[in-house]
Amino acid sequence: SQQGEEDPQALSIQEGENATMNCSYKTSINNLQWYRQNSGRGLVHLILIRSNEREKHSGRLRVTLDTSKKSSSLLITASRAADTASYFCATMNAGGTSYGKLTFGQGTILTVHP
Amino acid sequence: GAVVSQHPSRVICKSGTSVKIECRSLDFQATTMFWYRQFPKQSLMLMATSNEGSKATYEQGVEKDKFLINHASLTLSTLTVTSAHPEDSSFYICSARGQGRNIQYFGAGTRLSVL
Repeated sequence: SQQGEEDPQALSIQEGENATMNCSYKTSINNLQWYRQNSGRGLVHLILIRSNEREKHSGRLRVTLDTSKKSSSLLITASRAADTASYFCATMNAGGTSYGKLTFGQGTILTVHP
Repeated sequence: GAVVSQHPSRVICKSGTSVKIECRSLDFQATTMFWYRQFPKQSLMLMATSNEGSKATYEQGVEKDKFLINHASLTLSTLTVTSAHPEDSSFYICSARGQGRNIQYFGAGTRLSVL
């Protein structure tokens, strides 16, 4: 079963606005990753944040991680129409037999209107 | 970034036939490959994990005789859907990971339609 839950399920904004997506998980993690999927395509890795990190930036992306609340957020600043896609968080467990596997959240469908 | 090629991108077949999907890492050695299934507007569900040269590890509820996975080299894994039925129609995505790497690189996916 998917351990990640994301909200909102869908987000519709205007170009130039910021988009914030949230992800919650249940187990101890080694890291949390965000991926993007354009309709009918594979996933593209966006950013990885380790369990001992609290915030990370990459271009217009900002990711936060709160391990005490088992939650993460992805902020896309100054959104563009080309950012329209589905965004998934994925957690990599801390160890054991599940090490290396990713568990994906349900995803947020982002629509950016020109 | 690393490139993973997945073929075919789309396949339509008759019920009862078998379909093979290939996943290749083009510019790195993929010690581990993953196969996912995705239903419309849903998340990815991991089907199996394969390490080069060893048998695949299937997730609970995934029939290993139905979904045959081979990872014979560090750059190629295949998924064969045997005796496909309409309920097997779905979007199948592979990903690959290098030794000690945390990031998975995904193929573009294969849309399977079984008539």
